[in-house]
Amino acid sequence: GESVGLHLPTLSVQEGDNSIINCAYSNSASDYFIWYKQESGKGPQFIIDIRSNMDKRQGQRVTVLLNKTVKHLSLQIAATQPGDSAVYFCAESFNTDKLIFGTGTRLQVFP
Amino acid sequence: DAGVTQSPTHLIKTRGQQVTLRCSPISGHKSVSWYQQVLGQGPQFIFQYYEKEERGRGNFPDRFSARQFPNYSSELNVNALLLGDSALYLCASSLEGLLRVGEKLFFGSGTQLSVL
Repeated sequence: GESVGLHLPTLSVQEGDNSIINCAYSNSASDYFIWYKQESGKGPQFIIDIRSNMDKRQGQRVTVLLNKTVKHLSLQIAATQPGDSAVYFCAESFNTDKLIFGTGTRLQVFP
Repeated sequence: DAGVTQSPTHLIKTRGQQVTLRCSPISGHKSVSWYQQVLGQGPQFIFQYYEKEERGRGNFPDRFSARQFPNYSSELNVNALLLGDSALYLCASSLEGLLRVGEKLFFGSGTQLSVL
């Protein structure tokens, strides 16, 4: 499949290390945030979400942190694996059912 | 269970032509949304449909239209294609399109449209 992004910011990490992917969102009134993973030739895959009444949420090997003061969202991936290599998007929503996506970050995992 | 399915997977058209893209939501999902993803960017919202009614529309020209059928499948139509319409068109479904109350949006693999 065609690559989803050829000129995206790239984060390169060694297998087994922790990864931190950052995102600045646009609307201070946004109340719902999601991280998606997109592999080449595939659609975005839900990873984890968080609502504005929380500042941290944990999943399996992933943690999302929300800092509403500076409109910042981060995704932490523990013990990064080769299968984590993909483009990661943050998305926001405000009292609506449509998502506004950021530009994405490419995560490359090397052995 | 099958996820969101889209057809065709790839399509090549020339400027001025019309195209129809198809989407079948996850079984039991009644809401379908369409997104356009230009190379190197995040997806952009085009339409949302629920129970055959348009619930939301993004900032796209009238050349873009969509509809939802009684079985909840959906079609996206684009008329008078321009080179700039070349993109990955993603369909997503959710139970009732209520992300604000905890539903999740699931995406298909998309249709890659190339306009020459």
